[in-house]
Amino acid sequence: NAGVMQNPRHLVRRRGQEARLRCSPMKGHSHVYWYRQLPEEGLKFMVYLQKENIIDESGMPKERFSAEFPKEGPSILRIQQVVRGDSAAYFCASSQQYNSPLHFGNGTRLTVT
Amino acid sequence: ELKVEQNPLFLSMQEGKNYTIYCNYSTTSDRLYWYRQDPGKSLESLFVLLSNGAVKQEGRLMASLDTKARLSTLHITAAVHDLSATYFCAVEGYGGATNKLIFGTGTLLAVQP
Repeated sequence: NAGVMQNPRHLVRRRGQEARLRCSPMKGHSHVYWYRQLPEEGLKFMVYLQKENIIDESGMPKERFSAEFPKEGPSILRIQQVVRGDSAAYFCASSQQYNSPLHFGNGTRLTVT
Repeated sequence: ELKVEQNPLFLSMQEGKNYTIYCNYSTTSDRLYWYRQDPGKSLESLFVLLSNGAVKQEGRLMASLDTKARLSTLHITAAVHDLSATYFCAVEGYGGATNKLIFGTGTLLAVQP
């Protein structure tokens, strides 16, 4: 049973470009969470999604960031017009049910030049 | 707002020594997690503590939870170099979604030979 798959592992973007990060949850998991880790900090919650629904986006910046989890396909975290401050590791986690333990992916490390 | 504090932030210790990492949190929560993160890698789940007085042990690591004091400890016994990593505690936050984990800032553990 494959774990949570994130791609790409590393992503380099110039300022002003768009970044798309993908997350395929574990098989049978319909709950997806995105976290951001700035250098030498802990993980910060961004958004919690179920299939086709955003449940909690209280940690998402108000502008330029969006997330989706369509009926078919992976969850996508999209960052428009990236800035240097967006450079971070972005982790996706999934769970089977509402209060099941989270399983984390290996993360996508975004570098904005 | 739920806040999670860890101390120390950095811990350098010699092999064979014992030490404790502390995790304090500010409001009531039903679950506390400990994770390990190696540089550039994802989070590995170590322990889930569900109730007051819970104690779990795995190898040289032992975690405990005191919900009344809102304190968890991660005790390291006879440290070895392989334990060098960053350790995070995380607490479930409410007011939006269960599994919205609030992470501490992490403790970077360096075990010197």
